[in-house]
Amino acid sequence: QKEVEQDPGPLSVPEGAIVSLNCTYSNSAFQYFMWYRQYSRKGPELLMYTYSSGNKEDGRFTAQVDKSSKYISLFIRDSQPSDSATYLCAMGADFGNEKLTFGTGTRLTIIP
Amino acid sequence: GAGVSQSPRYKVAKRGQDVALRCDPISGHVSLFWYQQALGQGPEFLTYFQNEAQLDKSGLPSDRFFAERPEGSVSTLKIQRTQQEDSAVYLCASSLGSGSFTDTQYFGPGTRLTVL
Repeated sequence: QKEVEQDPGPLSVPEGAIVSLNCTYSNSAFQYFMWYRQYSRKGPELLMYTYSSGNKEDGRFTAQVDKSSKYISLFIRDSQPSDSATYLCAMGADFGNEKLTFGTGTRLTIIP
Repeated sequence: GAGVSQSPRYKVAKRGQDVALRCDPISGHVSLFWYQQALGQGPEFLTYFQNEAQLDKSGLPSDRFFAERPEGSVSTLKIQRTQQEDSAVYLCASSLGSGSFTDTQYFGPGTRLTVL
């Protein structure tokens, strides 16, 4: 079993819909959690990071962490075709100084 | 911009050839990471440097893989006697290495390696 599980999708939703992306993890040492967006043939781009349980909002994006359940989510409101990409969850135990462990990535398509 | 850069962007090698992939981290970033991303998968950790010291190489899949960062800036990932299973995107990331909760890793565009 992988340390980080993420549904690979693909996920297709109409423009304007709310998107929910999720990951579960098994390693209690993980302290900080990130969502990266990766467009085709590009490197991952940091979208959101959180380091405690709770919600963090940035524009149309909300990241949610529940450490007790080992479950993290990313919500995208008012989804746009430009949001079509692969979304990778990632987590680490030591801020900036240790490897990140990634999920498989969820491929998302927003249909105009 | 002053992001992480990697070269070459694409590399085709014949099985058995040696390849060298270069990473230029963000200026001033102490920590540098290499990841391997297979098609349809998330990146998997290969190795980690803090300045010129290689602190973790637990992810290197075999002794054919070697990484260095001799002056604590540019890093090179070398793969000897390439095999078809080495075909993947090789990603480099860097971070301040401050240990602060605001520190995180920023990725380059990757080098897509195809071994024929």
